[in-house]
Amino acid sequence: GEDVEQSLFLSVREGDSSVINCTYTDSSSTYLYWYKQEPGAGLQLLTYIFSNMDMKQDQRLTVLLNKKDKHLSLRIADTQTGDSAIYFCAEIPNSNSGYALNFGKGTSLLVTP
Amino acid sequence: EAGVAQSPRYKIIEKRQSVAFWCNPISGHATLYWYQQILGQGPKLLIQFQNNGVVDDSQLPKDRFSAERLKGVDSTLKIQPAKLEDSAVYLCASTPRPGDGELFFGEGSRLTVL
Repeated sequence: GEDVEQSLFLSVREGDSSVINCTYTDSSSTYLYWYKQEPGAGLQLLTYIFSNMDMKQDQRLTVLLNKKDKHLSLRIADTQTGDSAIYFCAEIPNSNSGYALNFGKGTSLLVTP
Repeated sequence: EAGVAQSPRYKIIEKRQSVAFWCNPISGHATLYWYQQILGQGPKLLIQFQNNGVVDDSQLPKDRFSAERLKGVDSTLKIQPAKLEDSAVYLCASTPRPGDGELFFGEGSRLTVL
């Protein structure tokens, strides 16, 4: 099947903003998700956006959705060293009868002091 | 509330040997998933259970992988015989509501095949 695409690596300085981009595959996906994986841990849901929204803000996180281009982005304001992790974009494509998530390869975010 | 438990955390075997991973989901979560995460890649779905029934196993290499969830609670994933390319982290996840996309993941079982 088609892949959810993400850039693989991003490095930012502490206090700067981080922007992680994703291109998903299924224009009919109802929700789109961002998961975070810290070293040695499982994935954890960070935030999500409903497909009829353009933007969602949750404290330091801003999710932007461009349905026409199937583009999703995650902005982290005032990035901290604790934000260093791998961030996965995910969708539930209509082809997944059981509503299982389809993940991208992940973007590794490194925050330097 | 206890999270998703997996064991063992680490396993090293030689190719052609067998291995089994165990997962205990969060209590009350009817849906359970096994994902395979190869280094540098995102998790790939292997199998999805709803209670003790299989919902989707289309990406499970059935010639060597098997999984069961006999009583609809905990689950076992087995690989026999293992190949070098099976080296990965095997993630178990569960959810009470498969349609809303919030999966609760365990810490994973890291398999190295030599």
